[in-house]
Parts: sequence; C-alpha cells; structure tokens
Amino acid sequence: NAGVTQTPKFQVLKTGQSMTLQCAQDMNHNSMYWYRQDPGMGLRLIYYSASEGTTDKGEVPNGYNVSRLNKREFSLRLESAAPSQTSVYFCASSELGALNEQYFGPGTRLTVT
Amino acid sequence: GDSVTQMEGPVTLSEEAFLTINCTYTATGYPSLFWYVQYPGEGLQLLLKATKADDKGSNKGFEATYRKETTSFHLEKGSVQVSDSAVYFCALSTGYALNFGKGTSLLVTP
Repeated sequence: NAGVTQTPKFQVLKTGQSMTLQCAQDMNHNSMYWYRQDPGMGLRLIYYSASEGTTDKGEVPNGYNVSRLNKREFSLRLESAAPSQTSVYFCASSELGALNEQYFGPGTRLTVT
Repeated sequence: GDSVTQMEGPVTLSEEAFLTINCTYTATGYPSLFWYVQYPGEGLQLLLKATKADDKGSNKGFEATYRKETTSFHLEKGSVQVSDSAVYFCALSTGYALNFGKGTSLLVTP
C-alpha cells in the first residue's frame, strides 16, 4: 500500500499562474483533507471532504478550490497564485472524520514568485 | 473557538534526558486529543491519542494523559534518543477537523 500520495513534490509558480495539486489514497478512507504548513503557524486546514461527494471550507479557504473526484482522489486548485500561498501543502485521509487517525502524504512544497 | 497552545521550541536535550512538551487546549464539548510527530522532510504521523478524560495514550516510550481539570495533554518520555529529533504537534478534534498547535521542535544531541 502506498498510503497517501501527492504530486508534485515541488513546484515554482509565477504570480497569477494556476495549478492543481493532486492527492490520492489507497486505504479506502472516507474523509480527506488539505492543510498548509507555514513556519511558526502549525498546520491550518484549507478544505476537507468528510465523505465522497461533499466538501467543506476549513480555516483558510480563500484563494483555493477543491474537487473530490472519487473516493480515492481529492485535488486542490489555485486559480491565480499569490506569494502568500507559498507554503508546504499536505493532504491527509482518515476512515471517517477527524476522531480517527489521519494519515498524511509527504507534502508539496510550493513557491510563488 | 477550539484551540491548542503548546510550548515554543526549539527544545534541545542530551540523549537519555527526560522530555516534557506542554500542551493545553480550549474546546467546547469533549474533544479527542492527539500528538503527531513530523520527521525532517516527511508528513505527519500519529504518535498517540486519547479520547476521554483520564485516558493515557502511549507509543514508542512516549506518554500523555488527558487531564480535563487542567485542560492539558502534556507529552513525556523518560529517556530520549537522537532518533526522537523531530517536530511534535499537539492537536484536538471534536468532529471532522483537527486543530493543531504550532509545533515544538526537539533536537536530541549525543
């Protein structure tokens, strides 16, 4: 089992460009999450999908959109990247809800210039 | 809203020293509490958890007890190793999302 996989691992964008971060899990989990990690800020939730077909905003959703493509895949899209979106992005999944252990991917390091 | 406060690092210890990382929380309802660990260049991994008051979570020599009266979930280990060098995150959940503390960096020197 690969667990949670994320692509790409690194990305550099210019301000205004768009991109999609991909996430997939092979554990048959119902819930999936996108976080961003910034120095001194811990992890902050961007969006989550409690189950296939649903998505909800987290703490810092502005400038992002998500798609729960199917039970395995949950993508994060930046429509018009800004320098403030320079961060490390982590995808996670859990069986159902956050009371269960969340399994994290290796992260995507994004730099917006 | 719900929040977690943990001691700021970095924490530097010698091998075999005793470790305590403080964590306190504010929450409505009855949260579950977690400690996650992040090794350099990796994603987070669950270290231990507790789901109700007075529960003790333990794993790999680490322990933490859910104290409702002091709203705390302090992480302890009796004898740290160089391989324990990492960033440790305290987190709480009352439903579908985790609220993380800002993380505490631990460096263990030989």
